[in-house]
Amino acid sequence: DAKTTQPNSMESNEEEPVHLPCNHSTISGTDYIHWYRQLPSQGPEYVIHGLTSNVNNRMASLAIAEDRKSSTLILHRATLRDAAVYYCILTNAGGTSYGKLTFGQGTILTVHP
Amino acid sequence: GAGVSQSPRYKVAKRGQDVALRCDPISGHVSLFWYQQALGQGPEFLTYFQNEAQLDKSGLPSDRFFAERPEGSVSTLKIQRTQQEDSAVYLCASSRGTSGGYTYNEQFFGPGTRLTVL
Repeated sequence: DAKTTQPNSMESNEEEPVHLPCNHSTISGTDYIHWYRQLPSQGPEYVIHGLTSNVNNRMASLAIAEDRKSSTLILHRATLRDAAVYYCILTNAGGTSYGKLTFGQGTILTVHP
Repeated sequence: GAGVSQSPRYKVAKRGQDVALRCDPISGHVSLFWYQQALGQGPEFLTYFQNEAQLDKSGLPSDRFFAERPEGSVSTLKIQRTQQEDSAVYLCASSRGTSGGYTYNEQFFGPGTRLTVL
């Protein structure tokens, strides 16, 4: 699977936007970009995914660079509940792929009141 | 609606004991995954089931680890002769799988079972 690179940690203040970057320079044309987050003492939780176009859902927005070598997860107004480890993961949609997730270290997001 | 449940939530075993960890996926989900998460690390893939078929067990660390899903719903991860390095959180996830040529990649995770081997 193609590798992703994320900063180890980021900090934000409550009610401010947060932009979490992810580099994936070896992404292939059939790789989807997924974001999951893991709150303390919980299992990971799906946030959003996309292929080429920017995506929005109730939790976040995903901005994908035109060359697809990087992406940014955007939390529009951070809350204390958004403090978590955020994982950027590539999954291949082609061939016999079944969606296995390969997690890296992720980005630890701290949200200050 | 009910999510993925796992039991027990916590398990303490003495080195050498066998343990069995249970996963109840979301009803109707075809795909089921097991992951292992060591302290301070991201989850690592162990094995994958499509219905009752175990299609990928490449992540199982040794032959002491065994997983089954005999009726295509509940799954059990068994670890024989536990070692201290087996101490970790074991996560189960399920997804809808592939339907109509589209693979539903969103995985729903359970809360995990924290295994401590003394």
